[in-house]
Amino acid sequence: GAGVSQSPRYKVAKRGQDVALRCDPISGHVSLFWYQQALGQGPEFLTYFQNEAQLDKSGLPSDRFFAERPEGSVSTLKIQRTQQEDSAVYLCASSLAGPTKQFFGPGTRLTVL
Amino acid sequence: GESVGLHLPTLSVQEGDNSIINCAYSNSASDYFIWYKQESGKGPQFIIDIRSNMDKRQGQRVTVLLNKTVKHLSLQIAATQPGDSAVYFCAENISDDKIIFGKGTRLHILP
Repeated sequence: GAGVSQSPRYKVAKRGQDVALRCDPISGHVSLFWYQQALGQGPEFLTYFQNEAQLDKSGLPSDRFFAERPEGSVSTLKIQRTQQEDSAVYLCASSLAGPTKQFFGPGTRLTVL
Repeated sequence: GESVGLHLPTLSVQEGDNSIINCAYSNSASDYFIWYKQESGKGPQFIIDIRSNMDKRQGQRVTVLLNKTVKHLSLQIAATQPGDSAVYFCAENISDDKIIFGKGTRLHILP
């Protein structure tokens, strides 16, 4: 496809479970971003990759959150020992370079019970 | 602290009328601003952007106005259509690798 894709679209986890969320950016896009969006709020920055390098992870809320992009293409956001406050939509975006003109995926809605 | 906010959480507009969505920002160093549209169940979609060296930019049926003096950004949508129903976010580029989003305004189109 031509756009950013994310999987799964929906994920229900029991508190304490680990989850992995996948992002397939647009081919050739150097920059990749992860955001967390709570209900009724705007997306909040989590982390940023330029190719395989994670240049900014200042938005990750705790050390339970981990993101990687080992080959500079697909990225995975992992959340360990999920808690109820982790429930949100996790958005991935990519761009040719930098934070301008980002293209967003549909998001993964995570519900932690 | 730095913030991007919106004046109105919900805006109801008659179909065919023009819509104006407002946004206030507080980071005077921001040099790039973007408007995104987000429909239910979808990710944000880029609408239009503007750099701080401009005060107006037009796209197809949309215009963004930037007033740096009062740190205000607005999105004007001409001849609003049912397909324009969505939540609209303004965002500002606060660093080389980061943009921050406002809370959003829901645009509701009345038939």
